[in-house]
Amino acid sequence: DSGVTQTPKHLITATGQRVTLRCSPRSGDLSVYWYQQSLDQGLQFLIQYYNGEERAKGNILERFSAQQFPDLHSELNLSSLELGDSALYFCASSVSGKKGNTIYFGEGSWLTVV
Amino acid sequence: ILNVEQSPQSLHVQEGDSTNFTCSFPSSNFYALHWYRWETAKSPEALFVMTLNGDEKKKGRISATLNTKEGYSYLYIKGSQPEDSATYLCAFFSDNNNDMRFGAGTRLTVKP
Repeated sequence: DSGVTQTPKHLITATGQRVTLRCSPRSGDLSVYWYQQSLDQGLQFLIQYYNGEERAKGNILERFSAQQFPDLHSELNLSSLELGDSALYFCASSVSGKKGNTIYFGEGSWLTVV
Repeated sequence: ILNVEQSPQSLHVQEGDSTNFTCSFPSSNFYALHWYRWETAKSPEALFVMTLNGDEKKKGRISATLNTKEGYSYLYIKGSQPEDSATYLCAFFSDNNNDMRFGAGTRLTVKP
């Protein structure tokens, strides 16, 4: 158990809908990361937050947004969902968000868009 | 585009065999390389974070080396066990952005 908690574990929704994935980082970690793992692509970095502020942005679509709240939990919002958004979404956390920090992954949220 | 390549894609070994695989990354603008072990139906587990050229790290039977000048890292498993069966991922951090690029992984199967 990495200490990173993600909910929900599984989610099925229809095209065009909007969903929110939630993540609680390990106790003491200030930085949160979101990743997408789809069938046809490897693990893709989406976005990183540190202490409530966006620190880095990767391959995140405009239909997706995220935030990190004062209590350090984070949410990833996915809107106008398409079939291709079906994937495993990981949240991860690290102590200070520096590139040399160990990054701890949650168990992921499986999203299926039908 | 930062290309991170891992080879081989998959590997089947017998219990007790030692094995190694490679992660190749851009040799310019290197900052850090991370290795992860990812078992099916679980989350990726951090193995090593490597930042210095010539770094060697060890955790039990697993070790890794780093050559930043030529852009590669090797992961070694000594005396493979069935519980080592997993996908081994490397991830590269450049020093000029915060983007983290993953390789596609090497899928290791250890047969008893």
